[in-house]
Amino acid sequence: DGGITQSPKYLFRKEGQNVTLSCEQNLNHDAMYWYRQDPGQGLRLIYYSQIVNDFQKGDIAEGYSVSREKKESFPLTVTSAQKNPTAFYLCASLGQGGNIQYFGAGTRLSVL
Amino acid sequence: AQSVSQHNHHVILSEAASLELGCNYSYGGTVNLFWYVQYPGQHLQLLLKYFSGDPLVKGIKGFEAEFIKSKFSFNLRKPSVQWSDTAEYFCAVNPYNQGGKLIFGQGTELSVKP
Repeated sequence: DGGITQSPKYLFRKEGQNVTLSCEQNLNHDAMYWYRQDPGQGLRLIYYSQIVNDFQKGDIAEGYSVSREKKESFPLTVTSAQKNPTAFYLCASLGQGGNIQYFGAGTRLSVL
Repeated sequence: AQSVSQHNHHVILSEAASLELGCNYSYGGTVNLFWYVQYPGQHLQLLLKYFSGDPLVKGIKGFEAEFIKSKFSFNLRKPSVQWSDTAEYFCAVNPYNQGGKLIFGQGTELSVKP
């Protein structure tokens, strides 16, 4: 099946801990995106990458980091500097031939 | 700053009622426009899109939206809702030549009573 796979589905973070959320796509898409979803605030862009080994900050990048070593993978690390990490995190990739983003099922991150 | 505003946070309707969800954006240039839907426990999925041409676009499940450039609006409509339309709806804007970035509205939760 082609698509975007996010793991884990649920993740818990302790104080001072860094955690990494996985996002893998087998759609052969160049561009990938990370969004954070909070109730009543919609989705906000954290980071995006238009090509391997390159990425840009979105609107709320503070406390997060990413890498893009492979076309298929765009992991997001929530660092200890992110003071309010509890949210639903969505990964997306951009289809060729248009500007339609396809989304994964999401990871729900909570703080212990 | 570029932003998208959805007028209603939560809408409650009975089955067969008509639906209109408002969406306005602030960006003076060319945009691509989208409505996404998130059914309970499911992926965010594309409902419909506008890139160019006829400003009235039709999407899946009987939804349509009208782009009114002079009002910076892209309202979503459905003549007769069903219980299965219960979901959260997001309007999103992609400013032209900004690397596919989407700016989302706050979302509107639609509850349809059977």
